[in-house]
Amino acid sequence: AQSVTQLDSQVPVFEEAPVELRCNYSSSVSVYLFWYVQYPNQGLQLLLKYLSGSTLVESINGFEAEFNKSQTSFHLRKPSVHISDTAEYFCAVSAPFRGGYNKLIFGAGTRLAVHP
Amino acid sequence: NAGVTQTPKFQVLKTGQSMTLQCAQDMNHNSMYWYRQDPGMGLRLIYYSASEGTTDKGEVPNGYNVSRLNKREFSLRLESAAPSQTSVYFCASSSPGQTLDQYFGPGTRLLVL
Repeated sequence: AQSVTQLDSQVPVFEEAPVELRCNYSSSVSVYLFWYVQYPNQGLQLLLKYLSGSTLVESINGFEAEFNKSQTSFHLRKPSVHISDTAEYFCAVSAPFRGGYNKLIFGAGTRLAVHP
Repeated sequence: NAGVTQTPKFQVLKTGQSMTLQCAQDMNHNSMYWYRQDPGMGLRLIYYSASEGTTDKGEVPNGYNVSRLNKREFSLRLESAAPSQTSVYFCASSSPGQTLDQYFGPGTRLLVL
């Protein structure tokens, strides 16, 4: 069965410092991988996704993630964070479900706290 | 477009009470979903509706029922609330062929006493 492990529940970092949020997954089939972001008191928003092709994917606000099949990882990185990046970040993996439907399996989340 | 909307935003129930959480989307999406979010556990799928007129159980359906009223609306009902159902509930939707690109509502925070 598919599963997702986010290795850090909380990551404190200073503004303008680099950050890496780690995500490992387990799956016996090919997967699609996602990062979602949840700002305080809001729903989740898709940040970026890997479906196929280049293993490095980028978001419009400077985050990037690299799919590493051999290490079954999909870590999220940003070279210089802003206060506004403070949020909870969820890694997710696709998984086959009933009736040919693919569902998302979410990790427990990593709370990124950016300090001035 | 409002995207995905949910009502109410907050609710306090006593054990045994019933309530319905409402969800609507204006993006003409076929598929809709209900998740619950609990600390340290990420999101878990309660029920989903692949298209209008169909519903199916997710990972944690016990204690819940759903209705896909039309293409826009997907409601979640708690018939007899229990403290274990204290959670944040999110509705989401996705377009045909893009079921994994899900758009989420702002959530309903439910406390069952």
